[in-house]
Amino acid sequence: GQNVDQPTEMTATEGAIVQINCTYQTSGFNGLFWYQQHAGEAPTFLSYNVLDGLEEKGRFSSFLSRSKGYSYLLLKELQMKDSASYLCAGMDSNYQLIWGAGTKLIIKP
Amino acid sequence: ETGVTQTPRHLVMGMTNKKSLKCEQHLGHNAMYWYKQSAKKPLELMFVYNFKEQTENNSVPSRFSPECPNSSHLFLHLHTLQPEDSALYLCASSQDLELAGRDTQYFGPGTRLTVL
Repeated sequence: GQNVDQPTEMTATEGAIVQINCTYQTSGFNGLFWYQQHAGEAPTFLSYNVLDGLEEKGRFSSFLSRSKGYSYLLLKELQMKDSASYLCAGMDSNYQLIWGAGTKLIIKP
Repeated sequence: ETGVTQTPRHLVMGMTNKKSLKCEQHLGHNAMYWYKQSAKKPLELMFVYNFKEQTENNSVPSRFSPECPNSSHLFLHLHTLQPEDSALYLCASSQDLELAGRDTQYFGPGTRLTVL
């Protein structure tokens, strides 16, 4: 079967760095997405990786290892507004997104 | 108005009621999606429409009935729901079904549905 796993909840301190891990098993692979979802709001797109390596976008970076079925989202210089759920989704050979349950990130002052 | 909008934002209904959720996208996209989001569970894809044609129905109970009159509007008609159907219902759209490159799905804010 297909599945995407990520931790349920993480806590970090304002100004620090946090890494949210995601492992995936999909039938075929057409990329790995990360979305951010604040409570009561729509998920919004953060990053897309289809090749191995690290992609940096400001304070956020996303890494992919296709051989390991592994990705992580790295958030630097954490701000209180980064408190949200982070959703990982792998795209299978039919271009269908297989979603993880999301990681709730709590930022403490 | 831009992006993807959904109405109503909150809905409380009894098990014998009939209601409809509405989604509208102003992005000129061709594909639209309905998802169910329950607490601490992955997003569940319910229905997919591409150019107004339904391409995916993920074994969704018949008490949920989608309608796509044009590529900008998507409805989800609800009838005789169960309490376990209480969840956040998200609508999304994308340029095409095949999310090539950096094409992505754009989500609406969702309808929080409570079935009593």
